[in-house]
Amino acid sequence: KQEVTQIPAALSVPEGENLVLNCSFTDSAIYNLQWFRQDPGKGLTSLLLIQSSQREQTSGRLNASLDKSSGRSTLYIAASQPGDSATYLCAVSPTNDYKLSFGAGTTVTVRA
Amino acid sequence: EAGVVQSPRYKIIEKKQPVAFWCNPISGHNTLYWYLQNLGQGPELLIRYENEEAVDDSQLPKDRFSAERLKGVDSTLKIQPAELGDSAVYLCASSLGLAGEVDTQYFGPGTRLTVL
Repeated sequence: KQEVTQIPAALSVPEGENLVLNCSFTDSAIYNLQWFRQDPGKGLTSLLLIQSSQREQTSGRLNASLDKSSGRSTLYIAASQPGDSATYLCAVSPTNDYKLSFGAGTTVTVRA
Repeated sequence: EAGVVQSPRYKIIEKKQPVAFWCNPISGHNTLYWYLQNLGQGPELLIRYENEEAVDDSQLPKDRFSAERLKGVDSTLKIQPAELGDSAVYLCASSLGLAGEVDTQYFGPGTRLTVL
């Protein structure tokens, strides 16, 4: 069974600092890895999706890397803003399968 | 375009009572998912529909949980009777259902259930 771990569980940084969020998974036979954002009382919004053949994806201030051999992904958020405060979850899906295995998330607070 | 709609947003019930949650997916999305999210954890899949067919309900506790998607559009998830441990957020998601391609799931806001 795929196990997805996110460390740290919570993170508080001052505005402007770069954020580094980590995700590790036990089974490297994955189809893709996704990073989601969840705001309190709201559903999940997909931020970035990295297919297994890719090593990274970028969108604006967000960059996600994938290292299948070590079972790790990192989400970088540059120049954090208070609006980045949310819970960030990573999820992996096995090869050619729709099922998403989620980590527990990292709750980020950006202090103004 | 409207996103995934769920109702109610919040529900408080006494244990042993029944409860139902409703989900309307994005128009044109053939695949619908129900997830359970406990506090401080990631979502876990309960059931997946392709049109009106439940293609994966292996994680659905069938002794008390049931779901339906009669016309292949909106869906209802029911719990009867509810237990204290059922307190959680129930998320609905939908996707186009693209075989062999990355099939992005879009999530609704969820229903937060509290069982007293």
